[in-house]
Amino acid sequence: EPEVTQTPSHQVTQMGQEVILRCVPISNHLYFYWYRQILGQKVEFLVSFYNNEISEKSEIFDDQFSVERPDGSNFTLKIRSTKLEDSAMYFCASRQTGRGYTFGSGTRLTVV
Amino acid sequence: AQTVTQSQPEMSVQEAETVTLSCTYDTSESDYYLFWYKQPPSRQMILVIRQEAYKQQNATENRFSVNFQKAAKSFSLKISDSQLGDAAMYFCAYRSGAAGNKLTFGGGTRVLVKP
Repeated sequence: EPEVTQTPSHQVTQMGQEVILRCVPISNHLYFYWYRQILGQKVEFLVSFYNNEISEKSEIFDDQFSVERPDGSNFTLKIRSTKLEDSAMYFCASRQTGRGYTFGSGTRLTVV
Repeated sequence: AQTVTQSQPEMSVQEAETVTLSCTYDTSESDYYLFWYKQPPSRQMILVIRQEAYKQQNATENRFSVNFQKAAKSFSLKISDSQLGDAAMYFCAYRSGAAGNKLTFGGGTRVLVKP
């Protein structure tokens, strides 16, 4: 069964550093998403991406965040200057029109 | 904005017994979708079941079934014949059928299965 692949599975970074989280969505999916889950809390929407542009973003997704689909297969989330409160599990998801979401296994980001 | 509420932080069930998880949501829309996701300790999000709001029939997937009460805005999940592998966090989620297609999640319910 097709999968959404996320790399790395765990990343530790210094506060203030830039990180790029990578995702390979399912190839024929058209909608792409990033969610995050701070430990012990609910899953929160960050951003959705369709037709090579952001279709919706949450208030969490401020100027420190950006997304890109650089080569038609990868879908990346960049955090420019990480803060301690960015420590969380980040999930990528994709879906096809009329279908459910497929989530990746997540990237655990730890900011120290 | 839509909100999803799961009022039970934790539920415990004996193996082979049945447990029901509650979920309520708030929306002014008539076209939407509801989901239950399972998150085991690995923290992967696994789709358990989905329900389209326009369908009156409750969705069923093997041992998992829902009780969808549209007027009451309630969407409970029943796990029958509980197995040890069912132990996980369960999240209820809502998606608008109109503009905007993000998922809005509830706070989750931890299910413990006792052997």
